[in-house]
Amino acid sequence: RKEVEQDPGPFNVPEGATVAFNCTYSNSASQSFFWYRQDCRKEPKLLMSVYSSGNEDGRFTAQLNRASQYISLLIRDSKLSDSATYLCVVSQNSGYALNFGKGTSLLVTP
Amino acid sequence: GAGVSQSPRYKVAKRGQDVALRCDPISGHVSLFWYQQALGQGPEFLTYFQNEAQLDKSGLPSDRFFAERPEGSVSTLKIQRTQQEDSAVYLCASSQRDRDTGELFFGEGSRLTVL
Repeated sequence: RKEVEQDPGPFNVPEGATVAFNCTYSNSASQSFFWYRQDCRKEPKLLMSVYSSGNEDGRFTAQLNRASQYISLLIRDSKLSDSATYLCVVSQNSGYALNFGKGTSLLVTP
Repeated sequence: GAGVSQSPRYKVAKRGQDVALRCDPISGHVSLFWYQQALGQGPEFLTYFQNEAQLDKSGLPSDRFFAERPEGSVSTLKIQRTQQEDSAVYLCASSQRDRDTGELFFGEGSRLTVL
């Protein structure tokens, strides 16, 4: 079983919609959590870190539930440019390897 | 350029050939990572360097895979006797801090196709 599990999608949503992605992780020792974004045939780039109290960056909101070992990403008012694969990423505090999920594919349509 | 640079961008190898993939990290970055990304999958960790020291190679899939970073900057990932299952994009990433960083800066990757 992979350490980080995500629904691969694809999620097809119209412009302006709100969409949510979920991710679960298996290692209870995990301490650091992130969402990365990867455009088609491009490299992954950090979208945002995920903090225990939840955090927001513009239209993007990330939440963490340690008890359920569950992370979410909410995108409000979707734009065409949000079309990409969103990778859930987890690491242990004392480790250095980031563990990536398979990614969730999002397509925002006009 | 200021980013992570990888070469070659594309490599086609016949099964059994050896290949070498190069990574030039961002200047001054202490940490360097190699990841393997198969089609439709997320990046899978291969190995990690802190300066010239290889601190973790637990993700290397077999002893055909070897990585080095002799002077603590440029790194090379070598794959000996390539197999079809080695076909993937090999991503190099660097980070300024050692350990536990969320922001890895990735190169565009080296796409390896083994025929």
